[in-house]
Amino acid sequence: QVQLVQSGAEVKKPGASVKVSCKASGYTFNIYGMHWVRQAPGQGLEWMGWINAGDGNTRDSPKFKGRVTITTDTSATTIYMELGSLTSEDTAVYYCTRSGDSWSVDNWGQGTLVTVSS
Amino acid sequence: QSALTQPASVSGSPGQSITISCTGTSSDVGSFNLVSWYQQHPGKAPKLMIYGVNNRPSGVPNRFSGSKSGNTASLTISGLLAEDEADYYCSSYTSSSTPYVFGTGTKVTVL
Repeated sequence: QVQLVQSGAEVKKPGASVKVSCKASGYTFNIYGMHWVRQAPGQGLEWMGWINAGDGNTRDSPKFKGRVTITTDTSATTIYMELGSLTSEDTAVYYCTRSGDSWSVDNWGQGTLVTVSS
Repeated sequence: QSALTQPASVSGSPGQSITISCTGTSSDVGSFNLVSWYQQHPGKAPKLMIYGVNNRPSGVPNRFSGSKSGNTASLTISGLLAEDEADYYCSSYTSSSTPYVFGTGTKVTVL
């Protein structure tokens, strides 16, 4: 079955960067896209970006003004999301997800809590 | 790109039907049959319930159905069960600079 296993919780200081990994298994990695989605405490879902896991093409949300970098390592069937210039507003659970039919999100990782605090 | 608009809360009694609306624009919901719906229980990752406006993934009960009219998509839950109490989010592909957007979320309460 499809599994997306993310790296563990992080605590970062304002201005720092964080890199979250997502190890995929149970399907052919390089024929699916992957989204990153985040959810601040008590808030809704927010789309951050997408990557073609096979060729590395990306699209991201202009909201992050270039602070987000999404990459893929096909040999390790792993994708990464790096978010820079962190502020307290970036405190959230970050989800790695697989892009399914009709641009849906058909599988979700367990989530990685990133806390930004001085 | 603003979030799609959903009602903050919807409630119903067991066995009843409820409908959650998701209002977008001609740049997203109105132009593409790429609307999905997700269910999220507290402390859990969301789960895909509907994709492509009205398609159910394997394992999702047929009590859940989706539809769309103009710029508004809807999720209907028939025969409401206690386990349906959760937050629900819609999403859509968009032609704007942000290619994907979620709804504001709806809390469903089973009375």
